[in-house]
Amino acid sequence: KAGVTQTPRYLIKTRGQQVTLSCSPISGHRSVSWYQQTPGQGLQFLFEYFSETQRNKGNFPGRFSGRQFSNSRSEMNVSTLELGDSALYLCASSSSGGGGNIQYFGAGTRLSVL
Amino acid sequence: AQKITQTQPGMFVQEKEAVTLDCTYDTSDPSYGLFWYKQPSSGEMIFLIYQGSYDQQNATEGRYSLNFQKARKSANLVISASQLGDSAMYFCAMKPNAGNMLTFGGGTRLMVKP
Repeated sequence: KAGVTQTPRYLIKTRGQQVTLSCSPISGHRSVSWYQQTPGQGLQFLFEYFSETQRNKGNFPGRFSGRQFSNSRSEMNVSTLELGDSALYLCASSSSGGGGNIQYFGAGTRLSVL
Repeated sequence: AQKITQTQPGMFVQEKEAVTLDCTYDTSDPSYGLFWYKQPSSGEMIFLIYQGSYDQQNATEGRYSLNFQKARKSANLVISASQLGDSAMYFCAMKPNAGNMLTFGGGTRLMVKP
């Protein structure tokens, strides 16, 4: 079974631009969660999508948004990029959401904002 | 709200020896799950082991075991017979059973010496 696939692996953008990151979950998984990892703030939850609906949202500004398609693939968008948005963005998929549900992560997209 | 604390920023261990990585947590949720992930320098988060809050026995997965002490709110990871490939960042995480949002600790960098 293929794992979680994130594209692209690396991105360089300039301040003010917008960016879209993509995540293809493990086949059969309907939940996709996004996390931001920075040296200063560590790993922080951005949002979760389940069956095309946002189910949970972390404490991030509205510039961060996402969506999920009917095939469970998810995209994350960041508008009006700021230097502080430079981070590793990790996507995780799981079959549902309760109990011992394991989230499996992709390799991440490393975003650099110049 | 949930909180995870990992007090060891970095640790060294001799190859073939066992090592314990500490994790304490705080939560008001009645049922929850505890997880350990490994993050090599490549960035991908690799799931290692899971412990449910109502599990009577400590979880084990190959060379990994989780020393779960509910009254002390600790969930330490024990790696037996360390290998050079175990050198990586290790993150303790938790989530409520009703939900899919992982809260991570700050991580411990483990370095295995030959």
